This record gives sequence, C-alpha cells and structure tokens, in this order.
Amino acid sequence: DGGITQSPKYLFRKEGQNVTLSCEQNLNHDAMYWYRQDPGQGLRLIYYSQIVNDFQKGDIAEGYSVSREKKESFPLTVTSAQKNPTAFYLCASLERGGADTQYFGPGTRLTVL
Amino acid sequence: EDKVVQSPLSLVVHEGDTVTLNCSYEVTNFRSLLWYKQEKKAPTFLFMLTSSGIEKKSGRLSSILDKKELFSILNITATQTGDSAVYLCAVTDPTTSGTYKYIFGTGTRLKVLA
Repeated sequence: DGGITQSPKYLFRKEGQNVTLSCEQNLNHDAMYWYRQDPGQGLRLIYYSQIVNDFQKGDIAEGYSVSREKKESFPLTVTSAQKNPTAFYLCASLERGGADTQYFGPGTRLTVL
Repeated sequence: EDKVVQSPLSLVVHEGDTVTLNCSYEVTNFRSLLWYKQEKKAPTFLFMLTSSGIEKKSGRLSSILDKKELFSILNITATQTGDSAVYLCAVTDPTTSGTYKYIFGTGTRLKVLA
C-alpha cells in the first residue's frame, strides 16, 4: 500500500531532551512537509523539502531541525531549544509538478513531561 | 504577511441542518484553495478550487471560490453526526522551484448533534 507513515504515534519526552520523529513515504513524492498543530489552531509549517538534500524553514522553524538524505524519509528533530514542544505533528508529501493535494501521515502526538 | 482566516471558529448544529463555513485569504501569490476534513488524525482532502465561480460538489458537500473577493465557502447540507470534524482551509503559494507552500487557516470545528 502506498502512503505516508509516521512513528511513533505517541511520544513522551522529558524537558531538555532532543527527540526525533520519523516520516517515511513510498509515494515517490519529491516534496515533504512538517507541520505542527496545537489545540484550536490550524497547521503551522515547520520545515519543507522540495528535493533530496535540500530543505527550507517554514514559519516556526526555531527549535527544530530536519534532514533529507533520502527521497523517502524526512525526519524531524525537536531540540531542547524548542520552548513549547507539546503538540500534534503532521508530516505530508506532494508530487512535484503534480496536483496540489498533499497527502498526510497519521501524525505523532508529542508530550513533554 | 500571508494569512488565511476561517469563520466561525466553532459551530454546533443538529442533524439535518445546513451549514456554511467561510474562508478568506490574503496571499501574495495564489495558486489554489483547498478544503480538508480532519476528524482525529490526518486531514483528508475534500476539494481543490482554482477558478472563480465554479462550484465543486461531492454528495452533500459543495464549495465555491470567489477570487475577486478572496474567499471561499464550504456548504454541507442535511448534516449528519459523521460530519463532526474540524474543517481546514489552505491556500497554496507557489515557490520559485516548482513546489508549493501551504498556508492553513485555524479551522472550523463543527459538531453535529443527533
């Protein structure tokens, strides 16, 4: 089955720890995105990547880092510099040059204890 | 600053009612407007609109875009409890290298009571 997977589904972290969220897609899409969603709010863009080995900051990149070493994978690291990391994180992908519809993964809910 | 504003923020209706959700936008470069439904996890795609005045329809849901006035509406007729969700509006902003940046609104939380 083609799609986007995110792991883990739930993640708990102590303050001061870095944590990495996984996002993998087998849709052969070029572009991948990370969003953060807080209660009562829409999706805010953290980082996006249009091709391998390239990525751009979104609107709220501070305290986050990403890599794009493979087309299929776009992991997000939430660093200890992120002051309020508890949120729902969504990964999405898009076929470059195709339709505008993003495909979303199931999300990871991160809670900082 | 690019922004997408949705209204109302939340809405409670009874089954059978008709609802209209609003989305207005201010973006530098507009390519398309998308509506998504988010129940508990990942948003699922509903409609993509690029041209003014052309209604997109899927069952009880329909949507239309007004590019002159910079807004879109999503209508749901004969609502059912299964329509309860957050409805997200997003506008795509083409980047210089061929992909798109998405600007999302805060969403409208719809609750349909039996």
